Amino acid sequence: SQQGEEDPQALSIQEGENATMNCSYKTSINNLQWYRQNSGRGLVHLILIRSNEREKHSGRLRVTLDTSKKSSSLLITASRAADTASYFCATDDLSGGSNYKLTFGKGTLLTVNP
Amino acid sequence: DTAVSQTPKYLVTQMGNDKSIKCEQNLGHDTMYWYKQDSKKFLKIMFSYNNKELIINETVPNRFSPKSPDKAHLNLHINSLELGDSAVYFCASSHLGQSEAFFGQGTRLTVV
Repeated sequence: SQQGEEDPQALSIQEGENATMNCSYKTSINNLQWYRQNSGRGLVHLILIRSNEREKHSGRLRVTLDTSKKSSSLLITASRAADTASYFCATDDLSGGSNYKLTFGKGTLLTVNP
Repeated sequence: DTAVSQTPKYLVTQMGNDKSIKCEQNLGHDTMYWYKQDSKKFLKIMFSYNNKELIINETVPNRFSPKSPDKAHLNLHINSLELGDSAVYFCASSHLGQSEAFFGQGTRLTVV
């Protein structure tokens, strides 16, 4: 089954509002990452949070990680129309041993209306 | 300078053909990947290479053959293309497989 699952699948907000996306995963991890994908483009790394961290900030982004619940959230504050994109969480899978890979969720499509 | 570049960006081809997608990274990374993104935007890893050596082959049909001539290049050759191969293929790279991955712009493959 899929490692990372984001919810909601789609989110539509007005410019200036905050957007919160959640991610749940199933196995033990080293770190969890969030990526953004604009339509028709590749993925861009946003932020990485390690398994021993609980919260991390980067500009308008705030990420939390709860390893006991195997969940993470991405908060984008004061959203802008340019934030419109799909957002994916990605985890590495410790059960894979040295065979490193990132496992992605299905993503949340965020639409920020001007 | 483009960090991870893949070509072509679009590829339309008929069933049964053989095609290749090329990927190059100029970041000095030692690990490169191919991911497949389906029509529902689900991203799934196909292959992972570290220092030109295959370390992950995620149950991909053997019609798909990656080749890494050096650490900066990872090409993907697909034989006998099928309709179900239509997807966007992304190349990516990272350091040591333990940090953020840098993605190419993707190759949209359409098999008709």
